[in-house]
Amino acid sequence: AQSVTQPDIHITVSEGASLELRCNYSYGATPYLFWYVQSPGQGLQLLLKYFSGDTLVQGIKGFEAEFKRSQSSFNLRKPSVHWSDAAEYFCAVFAQKLVFGQGTRLTINP
Amino acid sequence: EPEVTQTPSHQVTQMGQEVILRCVPISNHLYFYWYRQILGQKVEFLVSFYNNEISEKSEIFDDQFSVERPDGSNFTLKIRSTKLEDSAMYFCASTRGGAATDTQYFGPGTRLTVL
Repeated sequence: AQSVTQPDIHITVSEGASLELRCNYSYGATPYLFWYVQSPGQGLQLLLKYFSGDTLVQGIKGFEAEFKRSQSSFNLRKPSVHWSDAAEYFCAVFAQKLVFGQGTRLTINP
Repeated sequence: EPEVTQTPSHQVTQMGQEVILRCVPISNHLYFYWYRQILGQKVEFLVSFYNNEISEKSEIFDDQFSVERPDGSNFTLKIRSTKLEDSAMYFCASTRGGAATDTQYFGPGTRLTVL
């Protein structure tokens, strides 16, 4: 069955530091992968998505993610985080509906 | 930019009571979804709805749950007799089409607390 694992429940980084959030998926066919962000009191906002083609995808707010089929991973990265990036981040795979990971809470130290 | 809205933002109810959670999807969208997130757990799919019918539902979506599109704008989730374990954040989402390539737009959620 399809599933998504986000191994890190909570990550803290300093403002200006680089960020990588991990995501591993299990899906039998070619996966359609997504990263969503949820700020407090807000709905889930799409950051980026991967369907096919270039395995490095660019998203909004300076985020990017790399699809690695051999590792079943779709990690999210940002070269330099801002205090406004503090939020909960969800990785998801589409299997007639979105199947989400547990989420990673990102805290930014000033 | 059009957005999905949900009301109320927070609902408190007694166990055994019926609740209706309301969503207004983006106006030209045709596919509608409910998801929920129990505190500290994953966001889980409940049900998808298209053309006035349920397209797919999860095992969570039992006989206590129902969905309806009562008019051209609202999409509701009803829980007939709430249980303590129904306490969660409920998210509505909508898409123009039902394919993976159609982005799902989410509302801000309704926090349901069952006492």
